[in-house]
Amino acid sequence: DQQVKQNSPSLSVQEGRISILNCDYTNSMFDYFLWYKKYPAEGPTFLISISSIKDKNEDGRFTVFLNKSAKHLSLHIVPSQPGDSAVYFCAASRTGANNLFFGTGTRLTVIP
Amino acid sequence: DVKVTQSSRYLVKRTGEKVFLECVQDMDHENMFWYRQDPGLGLRLIYFSYDVKMKEKGDIPEGYSVSREKKERFSLILESASTNQTSMYLCASRTRDRGYTFGSGTRLTVV
Repeated sequence: DQQVKQNSPSLSVQEGRISILNCDYTNSMFDYFLWYKKYPAEGPTFLISISSIKDKNEDGRFTVFLNKSAKHLSLHIVPSQPGDSAVYFCAASRTGANNLFFGTGTRLTVIP
Repeated sequence: DVKVTQSSRYLVKRTGEKVFLECVQDMDHENMFWYRQDPGLGLRLIYFSYDVKMKEKGDIPEGYSVSREKKERFSLILESASTNQTSMYLCASRTRDRGYTFGSGTRLTVV
């Protein structure tokens, strides 16, 4: 049973515009969330995270929003750049668990 | 920065061969993981280890085994490779902030 879901397999955005990637989860015990970015033929790299005690975390062009009541988080990239074109994975963790639970990924294409 | 090194970037093996994928991390982390990535299926956990000689099955352990004889090294073994094991294999080490550092991945093709 997929506990973390990314319902959009792909997203295309014009350079300079905002990219919004969405993620939903089902397990209310999740208390820490992360986004990873993956280029082809490379391993995923950490992008940004958020604890459940916050509803927003910002790092440069990247902002993650968490809506606990809706069990939903989103990653905003502003402005989008061609180098942002990659697959983005949402992940969730709960206290006491050793592993992360990953979504299926969203392929972002930023069009120059 | 934590470094996670996977020994091979690309491998081609024949059906029925025994395959070893090696992973080494340099930060004395307890937890290490093996995932495979397939289009549309995301990252699926095969096995993980929380200490030397300790292992736990993930979501898709069938056809795989693992070995952790030393803390820094976590090996994934395909006992008898099959074509449906053609995939990108990713090793990860868990950092103290609960995230992962991933290796560069091994693209395995079984012919």
